[in-house]
Amino acid sequence: ILNVEQSPQSLHVQEGDSTNFTCSFPSSNFYALHWYRWETAKSPEALFVMTLNGDEKKKGRISATLNTKEGYSYLYIKGSQPEDSATYLCATTNFGNEKLTFGTGTRLTIIP
Amino acid sequence: GAGVSQSPSNKVTEKGKDVELRCDPISGHTALYWYRQSLGQGLEFLIYFQGNSAPDKSGLPSDRFSAERTGGSVSTLTIQRTQQEDSAVYLCASSLGGASSYEQYFGPGTRLTVT
Repeated sequence: ILNVEQSPQSLHVQEGDSTNFTCSFPSSNFYALHWYRWETAKSPEALFVMTLNGDEKKKGRISATLNTKEGYSYLYIKGSQPEDSATYLCATTNFGNEKLTFGTGTRLTIIP
Repeated sequence: GAGVSQSPSNKVTEKGKDVELRCDPISGHTALYWYRQSLGQGLEFLIYFQGNSAPDKSGLPSDRFSAERTGGSVSTLTIQRTQQEDSAVYLCASSLGGASSYEQYFGPGTRLTVT
């Protein structure tokens, strides 16, 4: 993996179902992984920042895990609601470099 | 408290004109970032300011792009002799410190259209 990659690119989920998607990143020189939610016509909103291998974070129905050795993070949404419809972005920082490198996002649409 | 604000929200300009985009970060945030998202692309880093340190300009796509941050607060991104490929949403973000550990708080963006 040379870049931050997210899959799938888009996803349609029935309201009430749970879902998850993936962020893959180069594990060498990795320092931190960020997840953001970006709703149409709004600012990207920070969800989680994770640094340690095995980290798990949770905010309401949304949770995330981190595997720094193999270079991936999962974002889980339990019991999807229409308000969860958004683009979910992941981004990484490396040691000695403060800039975020973003993936292209997963566009999630919840079907009522 | 007030979040990150950006102005203008939309800007339409003719090819070859200069434009200035403004960002007001959250008070007390020492780090400020500019990104852009072109159609079909991910968020692309442009430039990073941290306190009084020299800015990281490594993401600026050409020498037509420049940015400054006055008094450690407000920042202006200037694009000279705009080209159609400069059309994008330009986002500003600020954080308490560097991106390694701190969440970034984003503004609503400026949508730039170059005709």
